[in-house]
Amino acid sequence: KAGVTQTPRYLIKTRGQQVTLSCSPISGHRSVSWYQQTPGQGLQFLFEYFSETQRNKGNFPGRFSGRQFSNSRSEMNVSTLELGDSALYLCASTFSGGPYNEQFFGPGTRLTVL
Amino acid sequence: AQTVTQSQPEMSVQEAETVTLSCTYDTSESDYYLFWYKQPPSRQMILVIRQEAYKQQNATENRFSVNFQKAAKSFSLKISDSQLGDAAMYFCAYRSGDIAGKSTFGDGTTLTVKP
Repeated sequence: KAGVTQTPRYLIKTRGQQVTLSCSPISGHRSVSWYQQTPGQGLQFLFEYFSETQRNKGNFPGRFSGRQFSNSRSEMNVSTLELGDSALYLCASTFSGGPYNEQFFGPGTRLTVL
Repeated sequence: AQTVTQSQPEMSVQEAETVTLSCTYDTSESDYYLFWYKQPPSRQMILVIRQEAYKQQNATENRFSVNFQKAAKSFSLKISDSQLGDAAMYFCAYRSGDIAGKSTFGDGTTLTVKP
């Protein structure tokens, strides 16, 4: 089985722009979670989608949004980028999102905001 | 809210020796799961080991084992016969039995393996 893929791998944007990141889960997985990883804040949960519905959301401003498509692929969007949004964005997929399910992580998208 | 604390930002171990990484967590829940993840320099996070809170027996996966002390809310990872390939950042993670898809991570411990 192919693993979780994320595109693009690297992205450079300027303040005020918006960005869309994509995540393709492992085939058959219906739950996709997104995390932001920074040296200062560590790994923080953004949101989780299951069957095109957002089930859980972390403590991030409304500039961070996401969606999931019928094929379970997910996108996250960050509008009005700020310097502090520079981070590695990881997505993880599981079969159902259940707490015991192993989360399979993608390689991440490195976003740099100038 | 649940919190996960890894008090050792960095650890080092000699190849073939044993090292223990510490993790404590805070929760009022009774149904939860604990995980150790490894993130090598290539950045792809992979699962090392997991533990269900309702199980008293400590989980073991080959050279990796945990010491789960539920009352003390402690969940340490022991790596035996350390190998160069074990060098990575290790994250302890908590998942609630009630919240789908969300892991709460500690700040990580960078493990260096010396040849």
